[in-house]
Amino acid sequence: AQKVTQAQTEISVVEKEDVTLDCVYETRDTTYYLFWYKQPPSGELVFLIRRNSFDEQNEISGRYSWNFQKSTSSFNFTITASQVVDSAVYFCALSELMNRDDKIIFGKGTRLHILP
Amino acid sequence: EAQVTQNPRYLITVTGKKLTVTCSQNMNHEYMSWYRQDPGLGLRQIYYSMNVEVTDKGDVPEGYKVSRKEKRNFPLILESPSPNQTSLYFCASSLRGQGFYEQYFGPGTRLTVT
Repeated sequence: AQKVTQAQTEISVVEKEDVTLDCVYETRDTTYYLFWYKQPPSGELVFLIRRNSFDEQNEISGRYSWNFQKSTSSFNFTITASQVVDSAVYFCALSELMNRDDKIIFGKGTRLHILP
Repeated sequence: EAQVTQNPRYLITVTGKKLTVTCSQNMNHEYMSWYRQDPGLGLRQIYYSMNVEVTDKGDVPEGYKVSRKEKRNFPLILESPSPNQTSLYFCASSLRGQGFYEQYFGPGTRLTVT
């Protein structure tokens, strides 16, 4: 069955520090998609990245980077030189392409506090 | 502007009084979904719809109904709300299902059932 684990419930770091948010997933499918979403204090959910299971290249977007490792079933998210505006809840999600019921499973989220 | 709208944004109601939360998207998306967000539990999918007249249960469908009569609308119906349905609800849409595409979320509806 699908499962997404975000073991870090809450993290606090001082501004300008680097921080990594962990995401570990379980799936029986060979074809699947992984996502990260951000939920700032204002409450909306914002898409950050999608990665398919055949693309293990790491991705970098400005201060954000993602490390996808199939060998450890992980899709970790790193913020470099964190800023106060990065304070949010971050969700990792999994969708299986061959899953007949098209469900999308979210992790429980990691609340990130960036302290000034 | 491309968006997903939900109404109402806030609702306080009493146990057993039927209510509907509307969701509408203007992006011609095929896939729509409802989630509830609870502290410590993250986002859990309630129902989803692959297209008009096609709906299916997510992980926590008990106590909820949905319909998809038009592509743009996907209302969430609570026939007899109970206090354990107090939650923050999000509607979302994506171009298609099968996990290919990112979801666009509505602003959320905070529901309190007393």
